[in-house]
Order: sequence, then C-alpha cells, then structure tokens
Amino acid sequence: DIQMTQSPSSLSASVGDRVTITCRASEDISNFLNWYQQRPGKAPKLLIYAASTLQSGVPSRFSGSGSGTDFTLTISSLQPEDFVTYYCQQSHSTPRTFGQGTELEI
Amino acid sequence: QVQLQQSGPGLVKPSQTLSLTCAISGDSVSSNRAAWNWIRQSPSRGLEWLGRTYYKSKWYNDYALSVKSRITINPDTSKNQFSLQLDSVTPEDTAVYYCARVKSGSSGWFNGGMDVWGQGTTVTVSS
Repeated sequence: DIQMTQSPSSLSASVGDRVTITCRASEDISNFLNWYQQRPGKAPKLLIYAASTLQSGVPSRFSGSGSGTDFTLTISSLQPEDFVTYYCQQSHSTPRTFGQGTELEI
Repeated sequence: QVQLQQSGPGLVKPSQTLSLTCAISGDSVSSNRAAWNWIRQSPSRGLEWLGRTYYKSKWYNDYALSVKSRITINPDTSKNQFSLQLDSVTPEDTAVYYCARVKSGSSGWFNGGMDVWGQGTTVTVSS
C-alpha cells in the first residue's frame, strides 16, 4: 500500500495568515493527489484534485501543488471557517489511502 | 445535483454482518463514468478506504486487503443504489461509514477525488 504522511499533525495560526500543509507519498504517485476538508461531524469535502485543480465552488484562497512524492496545500489568507481538519489522499492505485490529517487551530 | 443517502443500522453485534446501503440520486450506479466507494473513519484507523464497485462493460469490484475476506460491495440497478456488507464484525469495525463517488477523468479511469459523499453512518459493534 502507498503510505501518505502529512505534516504537521496540527498547526496553530491566526485569521489572515498564510499556511502550508505538506503531504508525502511513499512512492511516486504522479499528480494523483487529492485534498479534503472535514468539519466536525461531517463528511470530508473535496477541495483539490489532481494535485492542483480546484474543485468547483471552492474559494480561490485554497491552492495545491506538487508531483511525484511531495505535495502541498496552501491557504493564502485564513478565514474563521478554515480552522478545521485537512486530509490528503492518493488516487494513483488501490487501495486508496489517506494521510492522518492536519488540524488547523486558531 | 448528485446526492448520496445512506441507510442501515447503527448497532451490530460481534460476529454478525454489517449492512449499509447508499441510494444515489442525480447519477446512475450503472454509469461507466463513476465509481462507487465505501470509506470508514475511526479515531484509531483514521480514514480508511474499504472498496468500490464500477461498471465498464461489466461490473468490477476492488477491495482493501484489510477487509477483503469479509467485504462485499454490490450494485443494485433496480433501485439505483449500492450496498456494503462486512461479515464477522468485531469492535474494531466500530466507525463512521461513508459512501462516496469518484468520476472518471479524461483517461476514462477513476483517478480523481471523491466529489460526492453520503452523510455518514455511525456503526457501533457491541453486544
């Protein structure tokens, strides 16, 4: 299985800050990397697919980059509703695997 | 707009079978442009993909090795839904279970993100 490792596990920031979350795959996954946002008690929501393509309806302050094994999710100017948990997920091969999550704390 | 509506019991006894259903509206389980997935989430295991079903001239299934001997995902074309069956459950199968869709990309394969999710079902395995 491809292991996905996110860092950091938690991150403290303030409204208006720019933050970056990193995701590393245990092998080359090309650009088959997706990012999700999850609010407490809710299903994950797709933010970015194919490493850098913004899902329809997602604010432009979210962006993704990377290829191969190293990827980043950047939020350019944190809004109060962004202080939740983020996950990466590879869609290169089965089984699909997720990172352990990054909790963004205000 | 596509919606997934989950149903099924929230409490299952150890050694019994967990059964959940995901009803699809706005898309078709038989579409050759979508794969239908089950994922679960628990504090100990995080988000764990369990398997998927999809149709490309015939039906295919992929399952996670961790549950492969116990899992069945079936499409139901008459009701436009798909189901999850997990046999011989233990307390370690206690989790929130989600169904989700993945659309095919330009390659025709399902390498994109899970863009539509069910509401989640909390399943507790306990006697």
